[in-house]
Amino acid sequence: QSVLTQPPSASGTPGQRVTISCSGSGANIGRNSVNWYRQVPGSAPKLLIYETDQRPSGVPDRFSGSKSGTSASLAIRGLQSDDEGDYFCAVWDARLNGVFGGGTRLTVL
Amino acid sequence: AQLVESGGGLVQPGGSLRLSCAASEFTFSRYDMNWVRQAPGKGLEWLSHISASGNIIFYTDSVKGRFTISRDNAKTSLYLHMNSLRVGDTAVYYCARGSPGYGVSYFYMDVWGQGTTVAVSS
Repeated sequence: QSVLTQPPSASGTPGQRVTISCSGSGANIGRNSVNWYRQVPGSAPKLLIYETDQRPSGVPDRFSGSKSGTSASLAIRGLQSDDEGDYFCAVWDARLNGVFGGGTRLTVL
Repeated sequence: AQLVESGGGLVQPGGSLRLSCAASEFTFSRYDMNWVRQAPGKGLEWLSHISASGNIIFYTDSVKGRFTISRDNAKTSLYLHMNSLRVGDTAVYYCARGSPGYGVSYFYMDVWGQGTTVAVSS
């Protein structure tokens, strides 16, 4: 069981806005920036959001990140079929280790 | 920027392996580095972090005392020495580039290798 809690699944129809939550504690999300990764099964993860709300070069502005207290969220607007995959949040924990959320499988209906 | 892992394979419980990660197309010595693994059908698990200079190292509890991270900046390579391997260590192992020396509070990994598979079985 992960220190960071994500819903196991999320879904939406093309064009919709979807959010994925990541719940932690004062030892992790409450004190450090949050990062988000997307992974297509069989491939390596890809950085989607870093430092809570920053997008790496090449990531569309349809993707956005935010944080409030000990929870973080990834929002995807204008959902597209190729957004399907597994999404993971990650943060450094005060107990001196990195932690990932359990992952959320996004399905585009 | 590119990372290429190697060294995975089939090993018996209690055995050892050394994973390597060759970096190219970026100034390796300026970046923190990490190892992350993914067991079959499971999520991502961070294993270890090493600072750009190699003087700051962290491990997750499940591998402390068994795994050792190291780097050779002259060879632009990252390593993971794994001892006392267990069936539960079976996973795809990824090396991933961290921040350019900002420290672990900036715990992002922006370049990943393709992964190398470790299978621990008798």
